Amino acid sequence: NAGVTQTPKFQVLKTGQSMTLQCAQDMNHEYMSWYRQDPGMGLRLIHYSVGAGITDQGEVPNGYNVSRSTTEDFPLRLLSAAPSQTSVYFCASSPGQSEAFFGQGTRLTVV
Amino acid sequence: AQSVTQLDSHVSVSEGTPVLLRCNYSSSYSPSLFWYVQHPNKGLQLLLKYTSAATLVKGINGFEAEFKKSETSFHLTKPSAHMSDAAEYFCVVRRGGYQKVTFGIGTKLQVIP
Repeated sequence: NAGVTQTPKFQVLKTGQSMTLQCAQDMNHEYMSWYRQDPGMGLRLIHYSVGAGITDQGEVPNGYNVSRSTTEDFPLRLLSAAPSQTSVYFCASSPGQSEAFFGQGTRLTVV
Repeated sequence: AQSVTQLDSHVSVSEGTPVLLRCNYSSSYSPSLFWYVQHPNKGLQLLLKYTSAATLVKGINGFEAEFKKSETSFHLTKPSAHMSDAAEYFCVVRRGGYQKVTFGIGTKLQVIP
């Protein structure tokens, strides 16, 4: 099992560019989520999904879109990148109301 | 509302000595509590979890944590630190739904040889 796979691992964007962070899991988990990690702030929930076709906003959703067309994939889209979105992004999946399994992270820099 | 407070942003111990990482939480309801570890440039890995069963929870790599409702604490301990324990540790509280998750700001553990 690969677990939770995130791509790319590193990315540099210019302000105003858009991009998609990919997340895939092969554990058939219902729940998937995206977090951002910033120094001194722990992890904050951006968006989450409780199943294919169902998504909802977390604590810090502005500037990000998600969709969940399959159980396996949960991409995160940055519509117009801003320097404030410089962060490390983690995707996680969970088999219901249980602990989360995390990907290795995507380190994003917006210049 | 719920919150989690990790009382130390950095902890430094000598190899072979005990580890104590402190976590206090607040929650209106009985929460689920977790400790995760993050090694440099890696994702988060679950160490242990409390979900209203035994109050003393044993995790991987010799770590354990005790849920103390009266003190609203869930401190992480290990009897003897190893160099490989150097990492950042996150205390997490979840109340009810999957989305109601709050992470602490993390404690960086340094192990001195």
